Amino acid sequence: EVQLVESGGALVQPGGSLRLSCAASGFTFSSYWMSWVRQPPGKGLEWVANIKTDGNEKHYVDSVKGRFTISRDNAQNSLYLQMDTLRAEDTAVYFCARAGDRNYFRGQGTLVTVSS
Amino acid sequence: DIQMTQSPSTVSASVGDRVIITCRASQSITWLAWYQQKPGKAPKLLIYKASSLEGGVSSRFSGSGSGTEFTLTINSLQPDDFATYYCQQYNTYSLFTFGPGTKVDMK
Repeated sequence: EVQLVESGGALVQPGGSLRLSCAASGFTFSSYWMSWVRQPPGKGLEWVANIKTDGNEKHYVDSVKGRFTISRDNAQNSLYLQMDTLRAEDTAVYFCARAGDRNYFRGQGTLVTVSS
Repeated sequence: DIQMTQSPSTVSASVGDRVIITCRASQSITWLAWYQQKPGKAPKLLIYKASSLEGGVSSRFSGSGSGTEFTLTINSLQPDDFATYYCQQYNTYSLFTFGPGTKVDMK
C-alpha cells in the first residue's frame, strides 16, 4: 500500500527558510515522478512542483520559481522541498503525492505558517 | 498555462440525489482526475484519465467527458459523500492544475 508521510512544517518568519520531507513506502519510489501540492487554510489545492524519477527534471508553479527547490533521494525513498525567502502567502498545508497515470495523496500534510 | 474552472462552486443536495459537477479546461486535455476531500484530510482519488474509476471507490461515482469539458456524477448521494470535490489536469509533468473546488453540502 502506498504510504507518504510529510514532515518539517513549522512557524517561520517572512524571508525565512524551511525544508519539508516526505517519506515514501509501499511502492518503488525511484520509478515514479513525485509532486508537492499545497492548500492554504480554508482554500483550494495548488500544485507546487514536480520532480522526475531520477531528479534530473523539475517543474514549478510560477509563484515559487526561484524560491523553492524540489529534490529527492531514491536511496532513502525520500522527497524534499527546500523553501527559501518565504512569504505570508506560502502559508499552507503541504502534501506530497505520487504522480503518474494516477496521482496519490496519502499523508495528512505538514503545516507551514509564515508570520512574524 | 492550462486553467481549470468548476461549476457550481457549491451544491446543496439531499441523500439519494444525483449530483453533477462540471470541470472545464482552457485547452484540450486527456489526463483529468477527480478528488474528494474532507476537512483535515488528504484528497482521495476517485477518477483518473477522465473516466476510469479508482479501485475501491464506489460505482456511484462516475466521470465522463473529453477535450475541454468533463463531468463528475454522484448517483444516490450518501451521507459520506458530503465533501469538497476537485478536478485536476495532469496532461504534462511541466504543469498540473486544480480546479477551484465544488462543495457538496446538505440541503
